[in-house]
Amino acid sequence: SQQGEEDPQALSIQEGENATMNCSYKTSINNLQWYRQNSGRGLVHLILIRSNEREKHSGRLRVTLDTSKKSSSLLITASRAADTASYFCATDASNDYKLSFGAGTTVTVRA
Amino acid sequence: NAGVTQTPKFQVLKTGQSMTLQCAQDMNHEYMSWYRQDPGMGLRLIHYSVGAGITDQGEVPNGYNVSRSTTEDFPLRLLSAAPSQTSVYFCASSPTGTPLEVQETQYFGPGTRLLVL
Repeated sequence: SQQGEEDPQALSIQEGENATMNCSYKTSINNLQWYRQNSGRGLVHLILIRSNEREKHSGRLRVTLDTSKKSSSLLITASRAADTASYFCATDASNDYKLSFGAGTTVTVRA
Repeated sequence: NAGVTQTPKFQVLKTGQSMTLQCAQDMNHEYMSWYRQDPGMGLRLIHYSVGAGITDQGEVPNGYNVSRSTTEDFPLRLLSAAPSQTSVYFCASSPTGTPLEVQETQYFGPGTRLLVL
């Protein structure tokens, strides 16, 4: 069964606006990762946050993790048309070799 | 480096046929895995391998076999294709495979689209 669930399922924003998507998970984790998938392509790793971290930045990306609520958020600031893609969270449960992916959030950035 | 490569890109099979999806990586990664992606369901883990000679089942292993004779290659075999196996298949690799640092950044291949009629 899927560990992570993203919310919303779809998001449409204007270029320059910020995009925020959330991920909730069910069991304790070792780390949580966010991936991007452009249409018809493979997934690309964006950022990893460990269970003992609360916030992490990478360029225009900001990820937060709240282990007490079992949730994470991904913020993309100053969105661009090239950010149009599906975004997936993936959790690595403690002492487990397996990544569990959510169903993803589809982001459309309008020019 | 070519990264993770997958062949074929697209395949049509008839029910009952068998085939092998190829996956190779040239990054000397120990960990490799196969996922399937279906609409609205994200990616589900089929099989994975933490090193040559070692494989294990993921979430949806039925109908699939894997082997890992070399570090570079991790083929996925469909024994008797069924329409329910119509999906997009992704292979991924990762440089680590120890319990404390598992699955740091996974590198994905471009995928194989499989249609089973």
